[in-house]
Amino acid sequence: GQQLNQSPQSMFIQEGEDVSMNCTSSSIFNTWLWYKQEPGEGPVLLIALYKAGELTSNGRLTAQFGITRKDSFLNISASIPSDVGIYFCAGEGVYNQGGKLIFGQGTELSVKP
Amino acid sequence: DVKVTQSSRYLVKRTGEKVFLECVQDMDHENMFWYRQDPGLGLRLIYFSYDVKMKEKGDIPEGYSVSREKKERFSLILESASTNQTSMYLCASKEGGVNEKLFFGSGTQLSVL
Repeated sequence: GQQLNQSPQSMFIQEGEDVSMNCTSSSIFNTWLWYKQEPGEGPVLLIALYKAGELTSNGRLTAQFGITRKDSFLNISASIPSDVGIYFCAGEGVYNQGGKLIFGQGTELSVKP
Repeated sequence: DVKVTQSSRYLVKRTGEKVFLECVQDMDHENMFWYRQDPGLGLRLIYFSYDVKMKEKGDIPEGYSVSREKKERFSLILESASTNQTSMYLCASKEGGVNEKLFFGSGTQLSVL
């Protein structure tokens, strides 16, 4: 079946640094979504992308839907301690079944004050 | 705002017990999903439902069943819990159709002893 490869698996950064993470797939996706999960909570949607090439921002977060429709990246600028959490990418495939999403393995972000 | 409510945040059960995880959404969404989350493996789809009384197997359905008698409620059942089913379980819902956003509950951390 379709799979997403998300990298890096974890990041340890200093407050104020920029962060970049990405997801790639061997197959095409119609939609890319980025979620953040804080400890003890369910994932919360950050950004949704619907068109190849689309670049969307949400505050200090910026995400892009790759031109090939097989990848997406998420950037966080000027990180702060509350950015800590696990970030997941998710994609809705072309031959989608019942609206289900495929998820990446997650990127665990730690921010040192 | 969409609300997806999972009945328990933490559960401790014994091997062989029958376990019910309940999920309710308040936005009249057609599609509902059960995922399990394990470190390094991301979110894996167990079962999903795109209508009342309809269900489809996800990627890891073995050892689980589901019930959707009413549109707002989607239950995950572990017929005979085993220690390898210790995990975080996440329920989610979304509207039918493409490009709709997926909303998660806060999760149930299940420990099977």
